[in-house]
Amino acid sequence: NAGVTQTPKFQVLKTGQSMTLQCAQDMNHNSMYWYRQDPGMGLRLIYYSASEGTTDKGEVPNGYNVSRLNKREFSLRLESAAPSQTSVYFCASTRRSSYNSPLHFGNGTRLTVT
Amino acid sequence: AQTVTQSQPEMSVQEAETVTLSCTYDTSESNYYLFWYKQPPSRQMILVIRQEAYKQQNATENRFSVNFQKAAKSFSLKISDSQLGDTAMYFCAFTFYIQGGSEKLVFGKGTKLTVNP
Repeated sequence: NAGVTQTPKFQVLKTGQSMTLQCAQDMNHNSMYWYRQDPGMGLRLIYYSASEGTTDKGEVPNGYNVSRLNKREFSLRLESAAPSQTSVYFCASTRRSSYNSPLHFGNGTRLTVT
Repeated sequence: AQTVTQSQPEMSVQEAETVTLSCTYDTSESNYYLFWYKQPPSRQMILVIRQEAYKQQNATENRFSVNFQKAAKSFSLKISDSQLGDTAMYFCAFTFYIQGGSEKLVFGKGTKLTVNP
């Protein structure tokens, strides 16, 4: 049981380049999330998907797009990377039936934009 | 607005001693859940403990316990018999329902805990 798998683990981009961060979970969770973690800022929600076929903005969505490809997969795309998007990105998932179920996190992607 | 405040950016404790990490939150929700997550240098996010807001009894998980004061909106984490492996960033968070039936988890900015030998 792999849980939440994120790829890649590390990535370096030049300003203006694009890339997609991949996330997949094998726990049959309904809800999936993308967070970014910056020093002194904690984790901030970028986008979330309550269920397959739906996506919504979090608190810091600008510069990002997402796709809930199916129940398992939730990708995050940077169309034109900027240095301000240098961060560690976490994908997470949870069951929807009970909101005391904790988030299960992937191991993160460290992205550097030069 | 739903917010979580961790007022201690960094703390240190001697091995085997007890340390308390503070957390306050602000929400207009009446029913919610509170969590403490641990992030060691490996970067992995690990659930430490959770508390249902409707329960008065404080949650306990082995050496970890919470002091939940609902009226004060306070949710502190106590680590007893600290171990070197407890060295990590600790994040306080709470979750509530949002439109569409999903949960939204709001995090504090974290407290970096160092356990010294």
